[in-house]
Amino acid sequence: GAVVSQHPSRVICKSGTSVKIECRSLDFQATTMFWYRQFPKQSLMLMATSNEGSKATYEQGVEKDKFLINHASLTLSTLTVTSAHPEDSSFYICSAKRGAETQYFGPGTRLLVL
Amino acid sequence: QKEVEQNSGPLSVPEGAIASLNCTYSDRGSQSFFWYRQYSGKSPELIMSIYSNGDKEDGRFTAQLNKASQYVSLLIRDSQPSDSATYLCAVNLDFGNEKLTFGTGTRLTIIP
Repeated sequence: GAVVSQHPSRVICKSGTSVKIECRSLDFQATTMFWYRQFPKQSLMLMATSNEGSKATYEQGVEKDKFLINHASLTLSTLTVTSAHPEDSSFYICSAKRGAETQYFGPGTRLLVL
Repeated sequence: QKEVEQNSGPLSVPEGAIASLNCTYSDRGSQSFFWYRQYSGKSPELIMSIYSNGDKEDGRFTAQLNKASQYVSLLIRDSQPSDSATYLCAVNLDFGNEKLTFGTGTRLTIIP
């Protein structure tokens, strides 16, 4: 199966700081990457769809100025949580899509904002 | 409102028995259906995908799709304790729409 990595796996930061999360497809070129957020005991909620070389498409209710997405290459997408607050604490998961195939998920990044 | 619904459980099944997980979806135009397994604290892992009406088998797993009833299910035969996890049903509208809509998941516990 396809391998997707995320870094860091866990991050703790102070309120008001920014955090960058990287998502990499290790053994394939991803035409599209997705960013999800999952709160405890809830399902995955799609935040945005990221296509290489173009602007991300954000889901309704997701602030694009707060969650900055950059998809600089076919193997790397980054999510930056700007001016993070405690309510942004969550499990952030990326997925990558290879052509018409299904999505392969990264291991997730657990963010805790103090 | 496009929705994917699952019984949240918990569903308890004795080891060796068949676990049956169900999912309904609201959008009749949905084309692709997926089952993911998520262990606590981990990200989802793809178990099965199904696109056509009927059954699709892969090892101990069988996915069943009935588009007329807007229903997709996952059967796990010879359940093992390692199958204990939350199972997420995911649907996308059509092949041109890459987004997946997830159900809330069913928590499955296999009792040794």
